[in-house]
Amino acid sequence: GEDVEQSLFLSVREGDSSVINCTYTDSSSTYLYWYKQEPGAGLQLLTYIFSNMDMKQDQRLTVLLNKKDKHLSLRIADTQTGDSAIYFCAGGSQGNLIFGKGTKLSVKP
Amino acid sequence: DVKVTQSSRYLVKRTGEKVFLECVQDMDHENMFWYRQDPGLGLRLIYFSYDVKMKEKGDIPEGYSVSREKKERFSLILESASTNQTSMYLCASAPSGSHYEQYFGPGTRLTVT
Repeated sequence: GEDVEQSLFLSVREGDSSVINCTYTDSSSTYLYWYKQEPGAGLQLLTYIFSNMDMKQDQRLTVLLNKKDKHLSLRIADTQTGDSAIYFCAGGSQGNLIFGKGTKLSVKP
Repeated sequence: DVKVTQSSRYLVKRTGEKVFLECVQDMDHENMFWYRQDPGLGLRLIYFSYDVKMKEKGDIPEGYSVSREKKERFSLILESASTNQTSMYLCASAPSGSHYEQYFGPGTRLTVT
């Protein structure tokens, strides 16, 4: 089955760019997703990318997909303290999503 | 806007009690899911449902059951709560089709003492 791996922690300074990386095993995933979870809250969909795309940009967010290496990344430009959260990548097929364990992003002022 | 609501944000129960966690979505989604989230383990799927009265086991169904009598409501039941079921429980819903975007509720933090 699908396995999704992420590093657990990332710390950046306010104003810098953050890059959160994810690798996955199931090449049949049609869509790949990034979710954000703020403290004490549920998961909120940030963005997604269709598997036949290489890149998607949405304001400060850039998603890069390398299908050959099964590598997905989320870049947050001009990171703000409000971006501090846990970020989950997810992919899957057959109607279910498999989530990574989440990367905790800490933004230092 | 899709709205997924969960009956409680915080819940404290005693070992051996029967616990009901309720989830309601208002977007007529066919698919509904229950996850638990634990530090270092991420989200683990407990049960999911593709339609009314249908249920499928996820990765960790032991100690749990579910009920889906109406399309908008998916209930998670702990028949006899145990301390190792202390966790954050997240409900999600998703439309059918090839786009698997899931919409999450705010979560219920359950403590079993």
